[in-house]
Amino acid sequence: SQTIHQWPATLVQPVGSPLSLECTVEGTSNPNLYWYRQAAGRGLQLLFYSVGIGQISSEVPQNLSASRPQDRQFILSSKKLLLSDSGFYLCAWSETSGSDTQYFGPGTRLTVL
Amino acid sequence: QKEVEQDPGPLSVPEGAIVSLNCTYSNSAFQYFMWYRQYSRKGPELLMYTYSSGNKEDGRFTAQVDKSSKYISLFIRDSQPSDSATYLCAMSGGGSYIPTFGRGTSLIVHP
Repeated sequence: SQTIHQWPATLVQPVGSPLSLECTVEGTSNPNLYWYRQAAGRGLQLLFYSVGIGQISSEVPQNLSASRPQDRQFILSSKKLLLSDSGFYLCAWSETSGSDTQYFGPGTRLTVL
Repeated sequence: QKEVEQDPGPLSVPEGAIVSLNCTYSNSAFQYFMWYRQYSRKGPELLMYTYSSGNKEDGRFTAQVDKSSKYISLFIRDSQPSDSATYLCAMSGGGSYIPTFGRGTSLIVHP
């Protein structure tokens, strides 16, 4: 069966510090991968998605970036965090063909102070 | 007008009640419909997946899609306190494989 991991689970960072969140998927090959941010009461905001290694599409211009160095690894980064980057970050995966169903990881709660 | 509308609630019901959660949408190309349950501080988990119109039942949960009205529902029978969570609808189709999510409805089932 497939599993998706995210770490860290929680993170408190000062404004201006760098960020690196990691997501890995097990039990599947060549998945589509997604990064979302969920702010309180504001729903899911799609940040990035990837259909293959090195292929990243950005949905929202911001100071965040994403990379996919390996087939089942997706990384969300920032060089300098802003207060507005606080939120709940979710990684998700889906099959490359067939249903559009996404499966989510446990999330990372980021607080920028 | 947002593509997917979902009342944020909270919806508070007594244990054992039948719960109805709903979403409306505007894109007639949507044909895949999903419901997710999200407990506090956790990632969303897939509850139900339906294609096109009709009903789908899984235990205490029934998903209903009415494409003519652009309206989907999730019914929970014999609701339990453990059903207390936020329920998100999602839908896709028309050439896009990335779902559009509703904002979620917060459900509270009190003993």
